[in-house]
Amino acid sequence: AQKVTQAQTEISVVEKEDVTLDCVYETRDTTYYLFWYKQPPSGELVFLIRRNSFDEQNEISGRYSWNFQKSTSSFNFTITASQVVDSAVYFCALSEEGNTPLVFGKGTRLSVIA
Amino acid sequence: DGGITQSPKYLFRKEGQNVTLSCEQNLNHDAMYWYRQDPGQGLRLIYYSQIVNDFQKGDIAEGYSVSREKKESFPLTVTSAQKNPTAFYLCASKMKRDPAESNQPQHFGDGTRLSIL
Repeated sequence: AQKVTQAQTEISVVEKEDVTLDCVYETRDTTYYLFWYKQPPSGELVFLIRRNSFDEQNEISGRYSWNFQKSTSSFNFTITASQVVDSAVYFCALSEEGNTPLVFGKGTRLSVIA
Repeated sequence: DGGITQSPKYLFRKEGQNVTLSCEQNLNHDAMYWYRQDPGQGLRLIYYSQIVNDFQKGDIAEGYSVSREKKESFPLTVTSAQKNPTAFYLCASKMKRDPAESNQPQHFGDGTRLSIL
């Protein structure tokens, strides 16, 4: 069975601080896909990144970076120099190979204080 | 603009009443999904559909029903059997490209917030 754990329920940081959101996953498949989504106060989910299990390269996109480590089954998300606009709920999700729907973690609510 | 449209944004249900949440997409996506979001619970899958005229139950399908008569539409009915319907409902869709179907990201609508009167 697949499972995604986001142990941090809520995080508060002061603007310009760096913050890391943790994501630990469980799956028996060797081929799987990991995702991060952002949910701002307006409610819609915004896709941030997709990573497949064969690609362990870390990725950087502006102030966002992702650290994928298969050895620890983790796919952590770091925001550098956080801004108030980063305040949102962030979800990590997993999809196994084939026609399997996404399984989401419970989300981490990030509050960035000016 | 292409996207997913959910309506209404807010919906109120009376005791014993069925209500239907609309989800329409013009992205030409094959697969569509309904999720329920409760505070602190993340997103839980209600139903999903990979092709027209076919759908599967998710983790919490009891008290809900769906139909997929057209590719672009996937309405969700919250029946009176659903005793705790108050939640935020999100619809999603994605392109299905075999054999790598799993690696396409889902696109989400803006959601419908359902409350009991």
